[in-house]
Amino acid sequence: DSGVTQTPKHLITATGQRVTLRCSPRSGDLSVYWYQQSLDQGLQFLIHYYNGEERAKGNILERFSAQQFPDLHSELNLSSLELGDSALYFCASAKITPVTEAFFGQGTRLTVV
Amino acid sequence: AQTVTQSQPEMSVQEAETVTLSCTYDTSESDYYLFWYKQPPSRQMILVIRQEAYKQQNATENRFSVNFQKAAKSFSLKISDSQLGDAAMYFCAYSRTGNQFYFGTGTSLTVIP
Repeated sequence: DSGVTQTPKHLITATGQRVTLRCSPRSGDLSVYWYQQSLDQGLQFLIHYYNGEERAKGNILERFSAQQFPDLHSELNLSSLELGDSALYFCASAKITPVTEAFFGQGTRLTVV
Repeated sequence: AQTVTQSQPEMSVQEAETVTLSCTYDTSESDYYLFWYKQPPSRQMILVIRQEAYKQQNATENRFSVNFQKAAKSFSLKISDSQLGDAAMYFCAYSRTGNQFYFGTGTSLTVIP
């Protein structure tokens, strides 16, 4: 158990819909990262939040947004969903002072039908 | 952007034998961190080993060890006494400040009984 909790584990929704993925980081970790992994693909970096502030942004679509709340949990919002958004979405947390490894949650498997 | 290259999409090894997975990275920095992650069929991302660039000594974790060649920007993973449970996708990753973790495209390892 990495200590990072993601909910839900599975999500099936229709095209055009909006979903929210939730992540609770490990205790004491201020950084939260979101990654997308399509079938048999590598990890695509979406966004990084540190203590409530956006720190780095990857190739995140405009239809996607994220935020980190005062209690440090984070939510990734995906809207106007398309079939191609079907993927495994990972949340990871880490300390960055000093830099530690990123600890990953179990992921949310999103299926858009 | 930093790049991490894993040139071996697939590798196989006989059970109990040794295998080495390759990783190279591109950076102009002198201080950074390198990681190997394992992703078994469950899709959970599990840290295997980490290396701080300022440390000359290669990291080891039980049957897993790295060959860190800083000048060559190479970070290979050696798995000794391979076990069936080692079968997984292995990802190499780089981070400088913790703002982003850059992942390679992965190497799929098959362990042959």
